[in-house]
Amino acid sequence: NAGVTQTPKFQVLKTGQSMTLQCAQDMNHEYMSWYRQDPGMGLRLIHYSVGAGITDQGEVPNGYNVSRSTTEDFPLRLLSAAPSQTSVYFCASREGPKNIQYFGAGTRLSVL
Amino acid sequence: AQTVTQSQPEMSVQEAETVTLSCTYDTSESDYYLFWYKQPPSRQMILVIRQEAYKQQNATENRFSVNFQKAAKSFSLKISDSQLGDAAMYFCAYNNAGNMLTFGGGTRLMVKP
Repeated sequence: NAGVTQTPKFQVLKTGQSMTLQCAQDMNHEYMSWYRQDPGMGLRLIHYSVGAGITDQGEVPNGYNVSRSTTEDFPLRLLSAAPSQTSVYFCASREGPKNIQYFGAGTRLSVL
Repeated sequence: AQTVTQSQPEMSVQEAETVTLSCTYDTSESDYYLFWYKQPPSRQMILVIRQEAYKQQNATENRFSVNFQKAAKSFSLKISDSQLGDAAMYFCAYNNAGNMLTFGGGTRLMVKP
């Protein structure tokens, strides 16, 4: 009963480094998304996907890339990390009929 | 764009008492969904309760219930018989049946023993 799995749980990067945050779900949901949560704030949508091969931008997409080659996986790439990207990142998948989003445990990212 | 406002940054309740968390939202849509999520110190986002706008009946899940006032665009969460494990950040969220879940800024709930 894994649900949505995110790796890693913690990551420290230096400015300019690149990395990929991994997200996988085993519920066969078509819709997946990435959010960031900054201190004292709610979550904001970065990118989302409505199915394999289809992605689109959310509210705060700059500095991030995504792709969706399979239903299960939806990685988030930071091409050149900046201190402003220090945040907690959540991946989610959505159950269509009930419109409920299920979240992963989050990745805490620090960019120095 | 839709906005969600939680006007109470912090709330405190005595164990076994009842507390109500407030949420208002702004939308021009008639069909949408509203949610309350709980975020304990573990960071996990846990769905507490869900309301469909076309349903007039307020949603209830055990000790958690909502007061949904569609005309007033208000969606408050009532927690009855508060327990120590209820201490967490609570986020109100809105979805217009599209692809974006819009969150409020959160309310930190403290439960006193």
